[in-house]
Amino acid sequence: EVQLLESGGGLVQPGGSPRLSCAGSGFTFSNYAMSWVRQAPGKGLEWVSDISGSGGSTYYADPVKGRFTISRDNSKNTLYLQMNSLRAEDTAVYYCAKRGSGAAGWDFDYWGQGTLVTVSS
Amino acid sequence: DIQMTQSPSSLSASVGDRVTITCRASQGIRNELGWYQQKPGKAPKRLIYAASSLQSGVPSRFSGSGSGTEFTLTISSLQPEDFATYYCLQHNSYPLTFGGGTKVEIK
Repeated sequence: EVQLLESGGGLVQPGGSPRLSCAGSGFTFSNYAMSWVRQAPGKGLEWVSDISGSGGSTYYADPVKGRFTISRDNSKNTLYLQMNSLRAEDTAVYYCAKRGSGAAGWDFDYWGQGTLVTVSS
Repeated sequence: DIQMTQSPSSLSASVGDRVTITCRASQGIRNELGWYQQKPGKAPKRLIYAASSLQSGVPSRFSGSGSGTEFTLTISSLQPEDFATYYCLQHNSYPLTFGGGTKVEIK
C-alpha cells in the first residue's frame, strides 16, 4: 500500500525557513517523480513544485521560485521542501503527491495527508 | 501558462441526480487531465486520469470525457458520499494548473 507521510509544518514567523519532509513507502520511490501541492485556508489547490525520480530535474510555480527548493533522498525514500523567506500568503496545508507514470496516468495518483504551515508573527 | 476554467463553482443536487462538471483549458492539453475529489479536512483523491480512465477502486458512476480543451466529469447517480469539492488538473505543461473547484452540495 502506497503511503506518504508529511512532517515539518507548524507556526513560522515571516521570513522563516522551515523544511518539510515526506516519507514514502509501498512503492519504489526512486522510480517516480514527486510533487508538492498546497491549499490555503478555504481556497483551492495550487501546484508548488515537482522533482524527477532521479532528482535531476526540478520545476517551480512562479510564486515560490527562488524561495523554495525541492529535493529528495532516494536512499531514505524521502522528499523535501526547503522553504525560505516565508510570507503570510504561504500559509497553507502542504501536500506531497506521487506522480504516476505511463498508462496509469502521469498526474497525482497518491497524496499524503498534508501538513499545515502557518506564517504569522 | 495554461488556465483551467472550471464550472460551475458550486451546485446543489439531490441524491440520485446526474451531475456534470466541466473544465475548459486555455489551450489544447490532449488528454493530460485528471479529476480529484476532496472532502473537508482530507487530502484530494484521484477519480479519473488521462481524461477518461477510472482510477482503480472508484465507483463506476464516475466518468470522464473530453480531449483538447473541453473536459467533463459526470456522476451518473449522486450518492450521499459524493458531496464534496471536485477539481480538475492539467499536467500537459508546467506550471501544472488546477481548476478553481466545484463544490457539490445537498439540495
